Amino acid sequence: DAGVIQSPRHEVTEMGQEVTLRCKPISGHNSLFWYRQTMMRGLELLIYFNNNVPIDDSGMPEDRFSAKMPNASFSTLKIQPSEPRDSAVYFCASSPPSMAGAIYGYTFGSGTRLTVV
Amino acid sequence: AQKVTQAQTEISVVEKEDVTLDCVYETRDTTYYLFWYKQPPSGELVFLIRRNSFDEQNEISGRYSWNFQKSTSSFNFTITASQVVDSAVYFCALSEGWETSYDKVIFGPGTSLSVIP
Repeated sequence: DAGVIQSPRHEVTEMGQEVTLRCKPISGHNSLFWYRQTMMRGLELLIYFNNNVPIDDSGMPEDRFSAKMPNASFSTLKIQPSEPRDSAVYFCASSPPSMAGAIYGYTFGSGTRLTVV
Repeated sequence: AQKVTQAQTEISVVEKEDVTLDCVYETRDTTYYLFWYKQPPSGELVFLIRRNSFDEQNEISGRYSWNFQKSTSSFNFTITASQVVDSAVYFCALSEGWETSYDKVIFGPGTSLSVIP
């Protein structure tokens, strides 16, 4: 399995521009999570989906952030307009369906390092 | 509300020394999962272990061992005979409930471990 695939690996954009981050979860995993990592705030959960449906988006910082999951194999996180304080590493993670009450550790992608100048 | 505390921000040890990373958690649930993740300098997040709240048996995996104590709400991680490749940031994490694969996982702030040759 190729693991969770994120693109791009690095993104540098100017303030005010739209940024779209992409994620392909592991095939068969039905839950997908977007995290943001910064030095100041650590790893923050932004939003997560189950069976393509957003379950909790309370971590999304502002209306400038939006996320979609149109099908089981693809999700996007969009920032419009971007600001310098959005600079961070954005991780996508997925997990398989639970079985007999078990919860599995997430599998994380390699992350997208976003720099907004 | 759930919370994970890793009081040690940075630790430095000399190679071959043993080192323990502390993790203290807060939760009002009686069923929950605890995790440890490793983030090496390359940036990816690697799942190390999952432990549920009903299993207090300590676990050993090679040079790694975990000590779970519900009485003190701690889930400490020990690396025996540390190696330079162990240098990374280590995150402790908590998930309340265990019925679904999409229960929220909250991460601690991380402990940066440097192993000096």
